[in-house]
Amino acid sequence: QVQLQESGPGLVKPSETLSLTCSVSGGSISNYFWSWIRQPPGKGPEWIGYIYYGGSANYNPSLKSRVTISADTSKKQFSLKLTSVTAADTAVYYCARRAVAGNIFDYWGQGTLVTVSS
Amino acid sequence: DIQMTQSPSSVSASVGDRVTITCRASQGISSWLAWYQQKPGKAPKLLISAASSLQSGVPSRFSGSGSGTEFTLTISSLQPDDFATYYCQQANSLPPTFGPGTKVDFK
Repeated sequence: QVQLQESGPGLVKPSETLSLTCSVSGGSISNYFWSWIRQPPGKGPEWIGYIYYGGSANYNPSLKSRVTISADTSKKQFSLKLTSVTAADTAVYYCARRAVAGNIFDYWGQGTLVTVSS
Repeated sequence: DIQMTQSPSSVSASVGDRVTITCRASQGISSWLAWYQQKPGKAPKLLISAASSLQSGVPSRFSGSGSGTEFTLTISSLQPDDFATYYCQQANSLPPTFGPGTKVDFK
């Protein structure tokens, strides 16, 4: 059973960089796309982007200028960096696996709340 | 981006009720539609893919239908474990986009 676990700071100051890591266990990281999805309080989820285990990434155009997703296959981890954060970036951040069937998400981490505040 | 809308935004129901949730896409997405269930403090759980394909382990009281721009999720006989928020998500094109959710709570 694939398990994902997010880690990183729960509080980030405005204008700084949000950094999170997702650790994958119980399955292979190969041959899948690995995603970051966020959910502001009381709203629906928003796809941030994903990376293929081989290294190519796709990002949501609304965030593309501020987002970098990278992967370390040897550690079975992938990471998110979001620069120049504002209060609007406050959300629960999830890592998730894109299913083989397409752009749907079949395994999710438990999520981590990141608050942007001074 | 493809915009997703859901109706109603909330529904109050009782155990045993039949519940139907509608999801609409701003443009045609064929059958590239998924449904998720989310409980408070938990991650979304994938219920249905390809508009009507039930994921393994999901009870058969859940069903999905539709294609193009209009889709429905039906719970045939609501159970206590089903009180949650439900989201649709289009998987037709990047970026994948989610609906705003429908909360199913106790009448």
